[in-house]
Order: sequence, then C-alpha cells, then structure tokens
Amino acid sequence: GAVVSQHPSRVICKSGTSVKIECRSLDFQATTMFWYRQFPKQSLMLMATSNEGSKATYEQGVEKDKFLINHASLTLSTLTVTSAHPEDSSFYICSARLRKETQYFGPGTRLLVL
Amino acid sequence: GDSVTQMEGPVTLSEEAFLTINCTYTATGYPSLFWYVQYPGEGLQLLLKATKADDKGSNKGFEATYRKETTSFHLEKGSVQVSDSAVYFCAPFDTGRRALTFGSGTRLQVQP
Repeated sequence: GAVVSQHPSRVICKSGTSVKIECRSLDFQATTMFWYRQFPKQSLMLMATSNEGSKATYEQGVEKDKFLINHASLTLSTLTVTSAHPEDSSFYICSARLRKETQYFGPGTRLLVL
Repeated sequence: GDSVTQMEGPVTLSEEAFLTINCTYTATGYPSLFWYVQYPGEGLQLLLKATKADDKGSNKGFEATYRKETTSFHLEKGSVQVSDSAVYFCAPFDTGRRALTFGSGTRLQVQP
C-alpha cells in the first residue's frame, strides 16, 4: 500500500515550452502533497506544499508563477513548469502525506530543458 | 526552519561490516524523526521513524534512536549487505512548515 506515482518519468523539452508533471496517490487519498527538487548528488529541496482544494504554499525563493501547482482532487496534484529554461533542468519528486507526518514519495521525474 | 547535518559520504564498507551514519538536527520542539533510503534509480522509501525521545525505530536490520539531549538520530546496522547500497536521508518533520526537512544524504557503497 501507500503507492505514489509520477508521470512522466522523464521529459525533454525545448526552452520556452511548458511541462506538466502529474503526481498520483494510487491507493489512498491525500489532502496534502509536496513537491521537491533534487539536484545531482544533493538533498531534496522543498518547493511547495499542495493542498487539495486550495492554493499551494510555496517556499521562499520559489516562483509561484514559474511553478504552477494544482491539487484538484484527493489523489492528483500537478506541477507545471512554465516557460522552462535550461536552469530548470532537474529531478522533481512529489510526495503525499498519508497520515500525520509520514510521507510517501513518487519515483521522480527527470526534466531536461534544451 | 529546521536544519539537518549528515555525515558526508560516500561511505564504503565491506559486506557484513558495521554501519553508522550520523545525523544531527536543529528544530523547534521535538519533531518526529525519519530515515529515508533511495536505491539507485528509485524514489525515496521510508526506512524507519521515531516519534518521541528515546524511541528506537527499526526496519530491515537498521536502527536509530531518538536522542533528545544530543538532537541526534544516528542510523546503525550491525551487518551490511551489498543490497544496502543506496543513499540514506535523515529528515526531521518541521512542525512549522508541516513538511520533512532533508539532510544532504549519505551514499553507502557496500562491496562484496
């Protein structure tokens, strides 16, 4: 149980285009999901907290207009990287909170912007 | 917000060796503490957790004890296997942001 999926697992896009990444909790409902960014050989950086039915809470330094988050249902949150540039290339990971503080993570999406 | 300090890797051990990965943290109050593991090419998986002082979390032979006095949550395993090769992340739960704060991760490489 407690499986979280992400789609796509890998995406390559041209600079200036937008990319949408989906995060789904497959066997549980999650009112709260999280989006992280992981640079090579570095830790996970929390980008934003996604709450079902309300606006996401962004961490300091994360541009909300750049990284659009929509949590339209209890099992789906999406992250859209708008007008992507090469510096947005990274590994994006989502997680969903099942209960209290325990989070379950998706396998990640590798984004490469050319 | 919270912060986490993990020992730098990579840690290279021979099979059946004893493992310790140090983790200390700063936090407001007494947060729940977690260890996550990331195997090559996979997402993060919850390894173990402890929710209050002196609690010991354990799973798959790994253990970590919540030490309030030293604000530490060191990960240990008595006999590592090649299959334990992965990156290990220490993560206290930030009660202010209501989210996990991750350490830098420690890469473990176990050689046969």
